Amino acid sequence: KQEVTQIPAALSVPEGENLVLNCSFTDSAIYNLQWFRQDPGKGLTSLLLIQSSQREQTSGRLNASLDKSSGRSTLYIAASQPGDSATYLCAVRDSNYQLIWGAGTKLIIKP
Amino acid sequence: DAGVTQSPTHLIKTRGQHVTLRCSPISGHKSVSWYQQVLGQGPQFIFQYYEKEERGRGNFPDRFSARQFPNYSSELNVNALLLGDSALYLCASSSLAGATDTQYFGPGTRLTVL
Repeated sequence: KQEVTQIPAALSVPEGENLVLNCSFTDSAIYNLQWFRQDPGKGLTSLLLIQSSQREQTSGRLNASLDKSSGRSTLYIAASQPGDSATYLCAVRDSNYQLIWGAGTKLIIKP
Repeated sequence: DAGVTQSPTHLIKTRGQHVTLRCSPISGHKSVSWYQQVLGQGPQFIFQYYEKEERGRGNFPDRFSARQFPNYSSELNVNALLLGDSALYLCASSSLAGATDTQYFGPGTRLTVL
């Protein structure tokens, strides 16, 4: 059974710092991995999608990497801003086409 | 273009009641998925529908059911509500039902069961 874990559960950093969020999964048989952002009281916004054959994806200040063999992904945020404050979730698309989610990392960027 | 819409935004029910949640996908999208997100946890997959047929079902009891209409909108029904059904219910749409399709999420319906 696929399980997704995100560490840390919460993170608070000063504005301007670069930071890394971690995601690990137990079964390497995945189609892809996605990083999402969730703001309080709102739905989920897809940030980056990495196909199983890819190693990384970049969008603006965000860079996500995927190491399928070790069951790990990282989301790198450069030059963090207060507007980056949100909960970040990773999800893997498993062999049954289902999205399996981590519990998320709550990120606070202090001005 | 409107995104995924869900109604109602908030809902309060008592144990044993029944609830119906509604979702309208992005125009042109034929697949709708439903997720339950309990506070402090990631979403859990409930159902996926594509072209009005069920394509996937998560590990939820038979009290949960869903359907998709000819216009691709969808309803999630929950019978005999329990306190543990209190959660944010998210709907997501995608153009197809494939593994590589990006899902677009609605704002969710917050269900509170008293």
